[in-house]
Amino acid sequence: SQTIHQWPATLVQPVGSPLSLECTVEGTSNPNLYWYRQAAGRGLQLLFYSVGIGQISSEVPQNLSASRPQDRQFILSSKKLLLSDSGFYLCAWGLLSTDTQYFGPGTRLTVL
Amino acid sequence: AQSVTQLDSQVPVFEEAPVELRCNYSSSVSVYLFWYVQYPNQGLQLLLKYLSGSTLVKGINGFEAEFNKSQTSFHLRKPSVHISDTAEYFCAVSEGNTGKLIFGQGTTLQVKP
Repeated sequence: SQTIHQWPATLVQPVGSPLSLECTVEGTSNPNLYWYRQAAGRGLQLLFYSVGIGQISSEVPQNLSASRPQDRQFILSSKKLLLSDSGFYLCAWGLLSTDTQYFGPGTRLTVL
Repeated sequence: AQSVTQLDSQVPVFEEAPVELRCNYSSSVSVYLFWYVQYPNQGLQLLLKYLSGSTLVKGINGFEAEFNKSQTSFHLRKPSVHISDTAEYFCAVSEGNTGKLIFGQGTTLQVKP
């Protein structure tokens, strides 16, 4: 069966510091991968998605970036965090054939 | 472009009562439809999905949803809720062969004893 991991589970970072969040998927090959952000009390915002290694599409211009160095690894990064980057970050993998997405447990990021 | 509207931001209901969470979508093409549940500080869990076939879809935890093409709706129902159903519920529609989903803003289901 497929599983998706995210780490860390929680993170507190000062403004201006760098960020690296990691997501890995097991049990499937060549999945679509997604990064979402959920701000407090708000819905889901799609940040990036990837259909293959090295292929990244950005949905929202901002100071975040994403990379996919391996088939089942998806990384969200920032060189300098802003207060507005605080939120709950969710990674998901999906099947293009049915558009079904499966979510990881999330990372709670607090920028102080 | 597709869009999803969840008509209620909060739905309070007493335990063992029936509940309906409403979802309307707009799309000019055939779509796939989904309901996800999110418990506090957790990721989203797939409740059910409509891809094709029977318009009544049964999911986990006793939930079901009915696809109504003429009304462009995909309402979620449960005949008798439990305290443990308290969570955020998201309706989503596929963007059509892009692998992307369009999510509604979510409905908070509050089950009271």
